[in-house]
Amino acid sequence: NAGVMQNPRHLVRRRGQEARLRCSPVKGHSHVYWYRQLPEEGLKFMVYLQKENIIDESGMPKERFSAEFPKEGPSILRIQQVVRGDSAAYFCASSPLDTDTRYFGPGTRLTVL
Amino acid sequence: GQNIDQPTEMTATEGAIVQINCTYQTSGFNGLFWYQQHAGEAPTFLSYNVLDGLEEKGRFSSFLSRSKGYSYLLLKELQMKDSASYLCAVSDTDKLIFGTGTRLQVFP
Repeated sequence: NAGVMQNPRHLVRRRGQEARLRCSPVKGHSHVYWYRQLPEEGLKFMVYLQKENIIDESGMPKERFSAEFPKEGPSILRIQQVVRGDSAAYFCASSPLDTDTRYFGPGTRLTVL
Repeated sequence: GQNIDQPTEMTATEGAIVQINCTYQTSGFNGLFWYQQHAGEAPTFLSYNVLDGLEEKGRFSSFLSRSKGYSYLLLKELQMKDSASYLCAVSDTDKLIFGTGTRLQVFP
């Protein structure tokens, strides 16, 4: 059984470029969550998605950030015109329909130069 | 508001017992989770409490008191590999709210 998969594991971008982070949930899991972790800080909730629906994006910055979870394929977290402050580890988690336990992926470490 | 508090750092000796406390104030409550996170790695699930009381799972136990907004994680027979951050998280309706984590260092 494959766990949550994220790619790339490491991503380097220059200021102003776009970053695309991908997340494939555990097979059979229909709920996906994105979290951001700054160095030496806790995990901060960003967005919760189900297939083709954004359920809660209360933790997502209003500008430059977007997320999707299409019917087919992985969930995508997109950051446009990245700035140095976007440098962080971005974790994706998934859960099955009827449980609250989140299973986390290995994360994508974004570095903005 | 949402607030989850846990100590920033703790140290302990190999073979000892350590208790990591967590207090919370959240608008909703669907259960409390403990995760372990080694440096540079993903959080891994340790325990889930939704009812008051103690849940035991091998060397790790977790306790919850909903009326006091309080939980603790108890680690017994500490091993060097237990050196990690321990994250307390509350399920608030549809999302997990995390504390900043407690960094535990185990010394020989």
